[in-house]
Amino acid sequence: AQSVTQLGSHVSVSEGALVLLRCNYSSSVPPYLFWYVQYPNQGLQLLLKYTTGATLVKGINGFEAEFKKSETSFHLTKPSAHMSDAAEYFCAVVSFSGGYNKLIFGAGTRLAVHP
Amino acid sequence: NAGVTQTPKFRVLKTGQSMTLLCAQDMNHEYMYWYRQDPGMGLRLIHYSVGEGTTAKGEVPDGYNVSRLKKQNFLLGLESAAPSQTSVYFCASSTGGEQFFGPGTRLTVL
Repeated sequence: AQSVTQLGSHVSVSEGALVLLRCNYSSSVPPYLFWYVQYPNQGLQLLLKYTTGATLVKGINGFEAEFKKSETSFHLTKPSAHMSDAAEYFCAVVSFSGGYNKLIFGAGTRLAVHP
Repeated sequence: NAGVTQTPKFRVLKTGQSMTLLCAQDMNHEYMYWYRQDPGMGLRLIHYSVGEGTTAKGEVPDGYNVSRLKKQNFLLGLESAAPSQTSVYFCASSTGGEQFFGPGTRLTVL
């Protein structure tokens, strides 16, 4: 069965600093992986996704993630944090169990950006 | 396109009351999902549907029922609300991969 672990429920960075949000997955098949962002009082918005092909995936708002099969990781990075990046971030993997596709989410990481 | 919409946005219920949450999507997606979001627990799947007229149980289905009479609509019902159902509820739709989310319904059960 597929599962997702996000290391660190809260991450705090200074404006302009590197953002690194960690995600490890478990999957018995080649995974489809996603990062979503949730701003306060809003729904989830897709940041980026990995299905097949290039392992470095670029998303919106300057974020990118690298799929590393050997480490079963899909960490999210951004070179320089902006105040507007403060939000909750969710990593997810597609589960193919039962013949249907479902998303399995991690518990989320809340990113705080301070001046 | 409106994408995925949810009504209502907020609701307060008393224990034992019933209500229905409506989700609508205009993207002609086959798959639709209902999640609940609670602090520190991410999103948990309540029920889902793989097409009009079909529904299936997710991770936390107890206390909820769903119906998908029309492809564009997915209804979530609470027959007898309990305080443990206080949560934020999200609907999503997809073609099987990426999911598109609605803005959420914040439900409080007193």
